[in-house]
Amino acid sequence: AQSVTQLGSHVSVSEGALVLLRCNYSSSVPPYLFWYVQYPNQGLQLLLKYTTGATLVKGINGFEAEFKKSETSFHLTKPSAHMSDAAEYFCAVSGRSATNKLIFGTGTLLAVQP
Amino acid sequence: DAGVTQSPTHLIKTRGQQVTLRCSPKSGHDTVSWYQQALGQGPQFIFQYYEEEERQRGNFPDRFSGHQFPNYSSELNVNALLLGDSALYLCASRGSATNEKLFFGSGTQLSVL
Repeated sequence: AQSVTQLGSHVSVSEGALVLLRCNYSSSVPPYLFWYVQYPNQGLQLLLKYTTGATLVKGINGFEAEFKKSETSFHLTKPSAHMSDAAEYFCAVSGRSATNKLIFGTGTLLAVQP
Repeated sequence: DAGVTQSPTHLIKTRGQQVTLRCSPKSGHDTVSWYQQALGQGPQFIFQYYEEEERQRGNFPDRFSGHQFPNYSSELNVNALLLGDSALYLCASRGSATNEKLFFGSGTQLSVL
């Protein structure tokens, strides 16, 4: 079975500050890991994903995440927050198959203060 | 190139009614999945269609059913609506090759009164 836990349902940062959104996963098989962003009244947009290879994954909009197997973590970071980063962020896990479903966390709402 | 399109964008129904939601996948995609996103929650997998057959199913009752057409578009049907079915229903599509990116539509917001 697979599951995802996102620590912190709400995170607030100042513009220009470091963004750190936490995600821990549980998986009985080697996982694929994802971060998605959802803006109000929109669907989900893929920020980045880890499948195999390099454990530090770079995504769109300056975000990156590091797969740490020993800690079962896949935290999302961005060095400097922009106002446009305010949105809800979802971590997700799937098995290693093209047809495998995504298991999402409950999401973290990121607020960026001016 | 249009992405994943869903219709309608909003829908209001009453308890006990039936509803059909529609999804057109991104051009070139042949696999469609449906997710339910309740308020304040992450999306939950309902089912996936490929080659007009349900390939995977999440933990949803039989009231939830679907269909995929030869042009790869898909429908989600929910019978005997409950208040708890109120949610954003997301459709996602991908090509069938391994590691293909999943594209999500903007969803249909269903309110059951």
